[in-house]
Amino acid sequence: QVQLQESGPGLVKPSETLSLTCSVSGYSITSDHYWAWIRQPPGKGLEWIGSIFHSWSTYSNPSLKSRITMSLDTSRNQFSLELNSVTAADTAVYYCAKTAQGTIRRYYFDDWGQGTLVTVSS
Amino acid sequence: DIQMTQSPSSLSASVGDRVTITCRASQGINNDLAWYQQRPGKVPKLLIYAASTLQSGVPSRFSGSGSGTDFTLTISSLRPEDVATYYCQKYGSAPITFGQGTRLEIK
Repeated sequence: QVQLQESGPGLVKPSETLSLTCSVSGYSITSDHYWAWIRQPPGKGLEWIGSIFHSWSTYSNPSLKSRITMSLDTSRNQFSLELNSVTAADTAVYYCAKTAQGTIRRYYFDDWGQGTLVTVSS
Repeated sequence: DIQMTQSPSSLSASVGDRVTITCRASQGINNDLAWYQQRPGKVPKLLIYAASTLQSGVPSRFSGSGSGTDFTLTISSLRPEDVATYYCQKYGSAPITFGQGTRLEIK
């Protein structure tokens, strides 16, 4: 049974960089899945941020692509997200998730972390 | 980018009712569509993928249909635990997009 757990600061100052890590247990991140980030502003809908494959292949939301960096740490079975130049509009619950398979044709999310609220405020 | 539009944005129905939620894509997406349920304060849960395939463990009162641009999620007999917001999601090509959600309440 795969488990995903997000970690990182709950408060980030405007213009700084938001950094989150997703720790994966019960499953290897070198397996045939994409590892994704999705966010949800308070009271609003879901927004896909991007994802990374063990080959370091990535897909990113065009609206965020210039501000995001994703990486893998296979030794720790973790993957990470950095979002730079944050503003209040980046305040959201951030989820990490696993896709059903490592192909865009099966790019839906069958396992999710519990989510972590990140607030952007001075 | 392909936009996903759900309707209605919210609805209220009685226990036992048949409920239908619609998701429309701005361009054809074959059957590359998933549905999620997000109960209040909880994590989204995959219900259906490939437009009509029920994820393991999901009750059979949930069903999905459609192909191309028009899709539906149906709950055959509404139960109190189905109170949630439902999202469609298109995949198959980047970028991935979600519908804006449909909030379902019990009358």
